[in-house]
Amino acid sequence: DGGITQSPKYLFRKEGQNVTLSCEQNLNHDAMYWYRQDPGQGLRLIYYSQIVNDFQKGDIAEGYSVSREKKESFPLTVTSAQKNPTAFYLCASRGLAGELFFGEGSRLTVL
Amino acid sequence: AQSVAQPEDQVNVAEGNPLTVKCTYSVSGNPYLFWYVQYPNRGLQFLLKYITGDNLVKGSYGFEAEFNKSQTSFHLKKPSALVSDSALYFCAVRDKDGSGNTGKLIFGQGTTLQVKP
Repeated sequence: DGGITQSPKYLFRKEGQNVTLSCEQNLNHDAMYWYRQDPGQGLRLIYYSQIVNDFQKGDIAEGYSVSREKKESFPLTVTSAQKNPTAFYLCASRGLAGELFFGEGSRLTVL
Repeated sequence: AQSVAQPEDQVNVAEGNPLTVKCTYSVSGNPYLFWYVQYPNRGLQFLLKYITGDNLVKGSYGFEAEFNKSQTSFHLKKPSALVSDSALYFCAVRDKDGSGNTGKLIFGQGTTLQVKP
């Protein structure tokens, strides 16, 4: 089936560790996005990429990094510099009509 | 700057009754508006969008939304609510910035819909 696959679904991290969240799509979409969701705060944009080998910071990029080496893949690294990383992370890609297609999310908990 | 607001944190409705989830927006130019639904610990599912054309937009699962330019609103509606409609609903607007269309969506805070039997 076509869609967005995020892994892992649940992830635990000790303070000071970097972790990488995977996002893969087989929809042949050019643009991909990472959002962070916290209770009561909606979704906030971390990074986005409109084309391979190019990406831009969103509203809350500090403490995060991304790469876009392949069209299908847009991994997000949560670094130790991110002060409050516990959250639900959502990856999306953009369809032709402008709507975003989301993965099932990855829940990161810092121990 | 583009923005979207959902004035209600929670909406409660009885099964079988009509439901409305409110959304207002602020954009420069013509808005591209979207509604999404999220079930617990799941990703967001696309419900419907307004880009141009008829002000009444029909979407998935019997939902529809009415675009009102004079009131800058895009309220989500359903004639008869189901218990299974209970979820978190997000309104979103496409962002526009000086670099052109990046496709970014700006989301509201979300409204929890509770449908009681």
